[in-house]
Amino acid sequence: DTEVTQTPKHLVMGMTNKKSLKCEQHMGHRAMYWYKQKAKKPPELMFVYSYEKLSINESVPSRFSPECPNSSLLNLHLHALQPEDSALYLCASSQQGRANTEAFFGQGTRLTVV
Amino acid sequence: DQQVKQNSPSLSVQEGRISILNCDYTNSMFDYFLWYKKYPAEGPTFLISISSIKDKNEDGRFTVFLNKSAKHLSLHIVPSQPGDSAVYFCAASAGKNDMRFGAGTRLTVKP
Repeated sequence: DTEVTQTPKHLVMGMTNKKSLKCEQHMGHRAMYWYKQKAKKPPELMFVYSYEKLSINESVPSRFSPECPNSSLLNLHLHALQPEDSALYLCASSQQGRANTEAFFGQGTRLTVV
Repeated sequence: DQQVKQNSPSLSVQEGRISILNCDYTNSMFDYFLWYKKYPAEGPTFLISISSIKDKNEDGRFTVFLNKSAKHLSLHIVPSQPGDSAVYFCAASAGKNDMRFGAGTRLTVKP
């Protein structure tokens, strides 16, 4: 199983809503990531979890709250988002502490904030 | 601050010819470089990588070249096939799990 599964695939939410994005992998990877990608832009790193601990937070606004409940799951909790937060949110995972840092990506969640 | 740059947003080549995609970086601490391929409505998929201790890595039709002094890498695809048409992202990391991506180059291989 070399899949990273993200749910939902599409999400439309209002600015006062609270929602969560979910990501799951069963490859035994101990590093998991959230990226944000706007149209015609590169994926931008948001958060990195290493062994279920937050290791990198790229100065992301607090309206985005990551959570790693166990080594297979990664959530991104969303609250009071702005329309400019509309983007494709990509989850990825990789081996930890290996020379090959190849990451496997999910299909992404297309988020629209209205 | 874009640490990884792909200055060509698009490239069009004929089937059977060589495709050369270029990438430049500014952070001299980067020690691992990767190429990802992305089809519409899918997440990026890993293609090939190279460590900074090497200057070339080959995998079938795909070869990545690294010029550390110029802070430049390139991906060669030969022969190019229509199925190679996708957006190609260059990525780099500095020893941690902090992979940074370039803006991508859209490759179109014409039959």
